[in-house]
Amino acid sequence: NAGVMQNPRHLVRRRGQEARLRCSPMKGHSHVYWYRQLPEEGLKFMVYLQKENIIDESGMPKERFSAEFPKEGPSILRIQQVVRGDSAAYFCASSPFGAGGTDTQYFGPGTRLTVL
Amino acid sequence: AQKVTQAQTEISVVEKEDVTLDCVYETRDTTYYLFWYKQPPSGELVFLIRRNSFDEQNEISGRYSWNFQKSTSSFNFTITASQVVDSAVYFCALRGEIQGAQKLVFGQGTRLTINP
Repeated sequence: NAGVMQNPRHLVRRRGQEARLRCSPMKGHSHVYWYRQLPEEGLKFMVYLQKENIIDESGMPKERFSAEFPKEGPSILRIQQVVRGDSAAYFCASSPFGAGGTDTQYFGPGTRLTVL
Repeated sequence: AQKVTQAQTEISVVEKEDVTLDCVYETRDTTYYLFWYKQPPSGELVFLIRRNSFDEQNEISGRYSWNFQKSTSSFNFTITASQVVDSAVYFCALRGEIQGAQKLVFGQGTRLTINP
């Protein structure tokens, strides 16, 4: 049973370019979460999605960042017009049940974004 | 607001020593869930344990044990007879039942180095 898949593992962009990060949840999981880890810091929640729905985007920056989880295919975190401050590790997690209960989020290996 | 504090930024011990990583949390939810994750040098996040607030039994898994004390809002993690492979950053995390039930709130992490 494959775990959470993320690609690319490393992404280099120049300031002003767009970054697209992909996440395929574990088999049987329909809940996806994105977190950001800035250098030497803990992880910060960004957004929670189910198929075709954004459930909670309270951690997303107001501008340039968007996320989707289409009916078919992986979840995408998109960062437009990247700036140096966007350099971070972006982790995707998935879970089987969503809110409450004994739900556990399992993480992918992360995408390390470097903005030159 | 929910908060997790890992006061120990870095710990360094010699192999075979026991080591305890501290975690203190704040939440207004009566039901909540606590987690520990391991981030080895390769960068991925590995789930270690989930503890429900209504279950105060301590847990042991091999060389790992967890001490949950509701009275002091702590969920400490002990590694017995540490090994070099235990070297990693360890994160404690909290998820509430009501407020923002889906998101994990992480501590800053404790970097553990086990020296041979």
